[in-house]
Amino acid sequence: DAKTTQPPSMDCAEGRAANLPCNHSTISGNEYVYWYRQIHSQGPQYIIHGLKNNETNEMASLIITEDRKSSTLILPHATLRDTAVYYCIVSPPLIQGAQKLVFGQGTRLTINP
Amino acid sequence: NAGVTQTPKFQVLKTGQSMTLQCAQDMNHEYMSWYRQDPGMGLRLIHYSVGAGITDQGEVPNGYNVSRSTTEDFPLRLLSAAPSQTSVYFCAAGRGDYGYTFGSGTRLTVV
Repeated sequence: DAKTTQPPSMDCAEGRAANLPCNHSTISGNEYVYWYRQIHSQGPQYIIHGLKNNETNEMASLIITEDRKSSTLILPHATLRDTAVYYCIVSPPLIQGAQKLVFGQGTRLTINP
Repeated sequence: NAGVTQTPKFQVLKTGQSMTLQCAQDMNHEYMSWYRQDPGMGLRLIHYSVGAGITDQGEVPNGYNVSRSTTEDFPLRLLSAAPSQTSVYFCAAGRGDYGYTFGSGTRLTVV
C-alpha cells in the first residue's frame, strides 16, 4: 500500500501556481519524498525529491514541513502541458540501493486555459 | 542520449505464448526496474536490478523472468502469457543522486 495520501484531483488556471499537497505521516527517518508525474499514457517523469529541506529545480519546488509529515509540490507557473497525474512517493534514496517505488493513485491535475 | 528505450511499443500475444520485452539504457545507470500499469491503476514493481548480474523480485513477479548481463540491458521475459498480464509495461533506469528515468512503455495485450 502507498504510504502517502493525495487528493484524487485538482484544477488550476493556466499561468497560476499549482500547489499539490501530500500527506506522509508515517515517513521514516531515512525516507525521502519523491514526486513523479505521468502525462496521459507516457512513462512517469521524475520531478524532484527532498529529505527535509525545501528543494527547487527547473521544474518545481518542494516544500516539506518541519515534522516531515506532509509536503507540497509547487509548479510556479502552470501551463497546459502540466496536465498530468502527479505521484508523491516516500522511499529511501536510490543511492542506498534499489528503490521499490510504490505508486498510489496520485492527483490528477488539470490545467485550465 | 536516447535515455531508456523499450521495444516493442505494442504487442498482441496469444495465451500461452512467450516473449521478451526489451529495455536498453544509454545513461550508464546502475539501477533498473520493470513496472506494470493496469488501466486506471498506479504502477506496480515486477523485478529490479542493482547492477549487472544482480536481480530481485518486486511486488508482482509471478509469470516473469529477468536477467541483467550488462549495465545497458534489462529484458523482461513472459514465460507463458495469460490474459491477466495484459498491461502497459514500463522499464526504468536510475542513479543514486536522482530519480528514475522511465521508458515510453510497451502496451501488451494477451488474447
